[in-house]
Amino acid sequence: DTAVSQTPKYLVTQMGNDKSIKCEQNLGHDTMYWYKQDSKKFLKIMFSYNNKELIINETVPNRFSPKSPDKAHLNLHINSLELGDSAVYFCASSQGTSDRWGFRNEQFFGPGTRLTVL
Amino acid sequence: AQKITQTQPGMFVQEKEAVTLDCTYDTSDQSYGLFWYKQPSSGEMIFLIYQGSYDEQNATEGRYSLNFQKARKSANLVISASQLGDSAMYFCAMREGYDNNNDMRFGAGTRLTVKP
Repeated sequence: DTAVSQTPKYLVTQMGNDKSIKCEQNLGHDTMYWYKQDSKKFLKIMFSYNNKELIINETVPNRFSPKSPDKAHLNLHINSLELGDSAVYFCASSQGTSDRWGFRNEQFFGPGTRLTVL
Repeated sequence: AQKITQTQPGMFVQEKEAVTLDCTYDTSDQSYGLFWYKQPSSGEMIFLIYQGSYDEQNATEGRYSLNFQKARKSANLVISASQLGDSAMYFCAMREGYDNNNDMRFGAGTRLTVKP
């Protein structure tokens, strides 16, 4: 009954390769996110999708392309991998509606994918 | 632009004692939400507690409470009766606005170590 799942958990690949990370949530949420956590543990938003529509697209290289086939899935495809792409990538999801103030919307995170580019 | 500051890169606390993890934020909005997440060494991100900018009372969730001082723009996390399993990274985060169209910004984190 995993809420937010990501595959693979670990990914080791050579520079220049293309790879994908998959994310699925079974919480019925309508918003999904991708975050990058660097070696210093700094967590930064990359993308946000709401009902399959891109909402947030932070300044990330266009080698990174999110794809949302449906509301429950948000995959991250990375082209021409570079050494600096090595990090832990987290998928998260949240509900669009929440408490009376509309703020809560806590995000539920997947277990993370540790990407190592050699 | 919003900004989250966690000034304590690392903290130590004795088991069974209370500890406060600092978080200050910068926003010009009146409407925002503040969140704390825990990241143990296993790597997952676990939601702990939430405080809305209009909430008049400090949020509490079990051993976690949030010391919300709006005028000072601080949202410190207090963990009471620390346990060894509390050793982890703790992240403060904020989102402005009413919906998910505004992204959540995270602080740099504080690594808490609970000593037996």
